Amino acid sequence: AQSVTQLGSHVSVSEGALVLLRCNYSSSVPPYLFWYVQYPNQGLQLLLKYTSAATLVKGINGFEAEFKKSETSFHLTKPSAHMSDAAEYFCAVSDRGSSNTGKLIFGQGTTLQVKP
Amino acid sequence: EAGVTQFPSHSVIEKGQTVTLRCDPISGHDNLYWYRRVMGKEIKFLLHFVKESKQDESGMPNNRFLAERTGGTYSTLKVQPAELEDSGVYFCASSQKAGAYEQYFGPGTRLTVT
Repeated sequence: AQSVTQLGSHVSVSEGALVLLRCNYSSSVPPYLFWYVQYPNQGLQLLLKYTSAATLVKGINGFEAEFKKSETSFHLTKPSAHMSDAAEYFCAVSDRGSSNTGKLIFGQGTTLQVKP
Repeated sequence: EAGVTQFPSHSVIEKGQTVTLRCDPISGHDNLYWYRRVMGKEIKFLLHFVKESKQDESGMPNNRFLAERTGGTYSTLKVQPAELEDSGVYFCASSQKAGAYEQYFGPGTRLTVT
């Protein structure tokens, strides 16, 4: 069965530092890949998604992610962290093909702390 | 455009009681999904509606959970009778189409069973 692994349940960075949140998926056929963010007391919001074509995907709020098939990874990065980036981040996948109903399989989530 | 709304935001009930959660998707979104996050665990898929039809209910934990989407608009998720392990945050999401289309999430309902 498809699974998603996010390395590190908590990541702490200083304001202005690079943000790197890791995500690996398990399937041999590359799925659709997503990063969602959840701010306190809000629903999940889509940051970016990879469906095909360009392997470097740019999202909202300065985030981007690179799909690496050889590493089965889809790590999320941002060059310079802002205090407002403090939130919980979720990597998710859904299967391709005719069986794809959009059902998302999530990683465990990573809480990003940004220190002043 | 109004987003996905969920009611109530919090619910505290005793074991054995019944609770009904409601989700109002974005208008015009045929696809509606329910997910659940138990404390300390990942968010897990429960089921998927296309309009009023259940497309995939493979994630429903057991027959104590009943989901409906009458008329293809809002959806309800009933838990009867509730057990301690049902505690968690229940999220609803909607999308125009299935597949790789963006799912818009509601803020969730936090259910606590005591």
